[in-house]
Amino acid sequence: ELKVEQNPLFLSMQEGKNYTIYCNYSTTSDRLYWYRQDPGKSLESLFVLLSNGAVKQEGRLMASLDTKARLSTLHITAAVHDLSATYFCAVDMGYGGATNKLIFGTGTLLAVQP
Amino acid sequence: DADVTQTPRNRITKTGKRIMLECSQTKGHDRMYWYRQDPGLGLRLIYYSFDVKDINKGEISDGYSVSRQAQAKFSLSLESAIPNQTALYFCATSDPSSGANVLTFGAGSRLTVL
Repeated sequence: ELKVEQNPLFLSMQEGKNYTIYCNYSTTSDRLYWYRQDPGKSLESLFVLLSNGAVKQEGRLMASLDTKARLSTLHITAAVHDLSATYFCAVDMGYGGATNKLIFGTGTLLAVQP
Repeated sequence: DADVTQTPRNRITKTGKRIMLECSQTKGHDRMYWYRQDPGLGLRLIYYSFDVKDINKGEISDGYSVSRQAQAKFSLSLESAIPNQTALYFCATSDPSSGANVLTFGAGSRLTVL
């Protein structure tokens, strides 16, 4: 059974600081997604990582995937208040081909303080 | 108009009542999903459908049923609602032809069972 764990579950950080959110998963997969959810809102896609060593960057966020370690990271550079949200990683249950069934992590609530 | 529309957005009901949550999409995607979100548990897959004639159980299908009335419509039913089905429910669609199979989520339906 695929399990997806994120840490930390809650992250309070100051503007301008750097930090990393970790996503570990328990079985082999080579497809990982990051989503963002603002309070009271739906989820929106941030990154899609489709192979070992994949790295994607958008603004102050950078995501990477290490399929051998079964680990993805979401790195935040010089945080700003607008990045405050809950971030979810989600892993496809397949390997070498998508099953299109995603298992989500529990989410990391990020609060960026002035 | 939203690409993925969920109705109702909010519903309060009593234990034992039958509830239907509806989802319609204008993206032309074949694949549709129902997830529920609970605090601290992330999103869990209830049911998914890869086309009108294909319905599959997800992680937590007990107590739920679905109907795929058309490519654009996917309904979730609770035959006899119970309090632990109080949650935020999301419908999502995806298009695997892009290779990435990113989920597009609806705005969510908040269900409270008293």
